[in-house]
Order: sequence, then structure tokens, then C-alpha cells
Amino acid sequence: AQTVTQSQPEMSVQEAETVTLSCTYDTSENNYYLFWYKQPPSRQMILVIRQEAYKQQNATENRFSVNFQKAAKSFSLKISDSQLGDTAMYFCAPPQGGSEKLVFGKGTKLTVNP
Amino acid sequence: DTGVSQNPRHKITKRGQNVTFRCDPISEHNRLYWYRQTLGQGPEFLTYFQNEAQLEKSRLLSDRFSAERPKGSFSTLEIQRTEQGDSAMYLCASSKEGRLPQHFGDGTRLSIL
Repeated sequence: AQTVTQSQPEMSVQEAETVTLSCTYDTSENNYYLFWYKQPPSRQMILVIRQEAYKQQNATENRFSVNFQKAAKSFSLKISDSQLGDTAMYFCAPPQGGSEKLVFGKGTKLTVNP
Repeated sequence: DTGVSQNPRHKITKRGQNVTFRCDPISEHNRLYWYRQTLGQGPEFLTYFQNEAQLEKSRLLSDRFSAERPKGSFSTLEIQRTEQGDSAMYLCASSKEGRLPQHFGDGTRLSIL
């Protein structure tokens, strides 16, 4: 079974600073992709960024970027110029199997302080 | 794109009662997923539909749980004889096809008294 490890249960950062959230995963698949989702307090889960495993270039989406190390099975998320609205739970979620169901880690609770 | 809609938002019921939740996916999304999320944890997969066919069920889905998607559009999740441990947020997600992100609803929070 696929496992996902997010080793930082909680993190905090000052507004406008940069923070990196770590994620490692285990998979036997070769051609796959990975997601980071955020879940603000009492709000729905929304997609932050997506990375295809076959692409060597790290994905970037505005202030969000990833550091994808396929051999190490590491998929960290960097948030630049942190904003108060970035306060949320962040989940690393690789899809698994033919159904492509998402396998979530325990998440990292990020707090952005003013 | 009106988003994934889930009803009700909150459900409070007594232990032993049956409950049913509804999920309306984004139109034209043929893939629909149910997840369960307990406090402080990430969501856990429950079941998956492609159109009207239920193609995968988690071992978490005991025989008290049943899910349907009769016309390949909305889906229902029923829990019979609810137990204290069923208290959780039940999330529905949909996607148009493989390799595309899943879009989540707001969830239904179930509380068992």
C-alpha cells in the first residue's frame, strides 16, 4: 500500500517570508503524478499544484513551487511571499491505482503570522 | 462550473439511526470519490465510481455503508445503524477523467450523539 509521510505536523511563518513543507511517499508505480492540496479552516479542499513524475522540471504556480526528487520520492512545497490567506492544512496526495484515488498524508498545519 | 455540492452540511443523529448524504459532482465529471476525514487526519478513501459503476471500495467501507450513483450523476452514501466511530467529515470529490485533479465539495460533517 502506498504511504505518504509529512514530517512537520505544524509550521508557522511570518507574512512575506518563504516556507517549505516536506513530503515523502512510497510508490511502486513509474508513471505517476503528485498533488498538493490545501484545506483552510472550515473550508473545502482545493488544489495547490500538480507535478507529473516524468517531467524533470519542477512545477510552479505563482507563489507556489515544488522540489520534486523522484529517486528520493520526495515532493516538497515551497510557498514564497507568504500571505495570511495561506493559513491552512496542507496535504501531499499522490494518486494510487487504476481509480487514481488520492492517498493523503496527515498534513502540515501552516500558520502565517502578520 | 458550479463546483461539487454536498448536502447536508451538518448531520447530527443518535447512535443506531440511519443517515444518507448526497453529492452532486461537477457536471460532465464521470469520476466520483467518497473520502472520510476524522479530526486531525488526512482524508481516507472510501469508494470510487466511474459513471454509474462502483469500481472500488475500501476496507473501511463496512457492510453498514452503501453508496450509489444510479444515473452516473449525483451519488448517495448511506450509513446504517450509525456508531460513535462514524463521526467524521465525509468528503465527495469528482474529476473529469484520469490524471486530472479532483475537485472537492465542502463535505458533510456527521456527529453521532
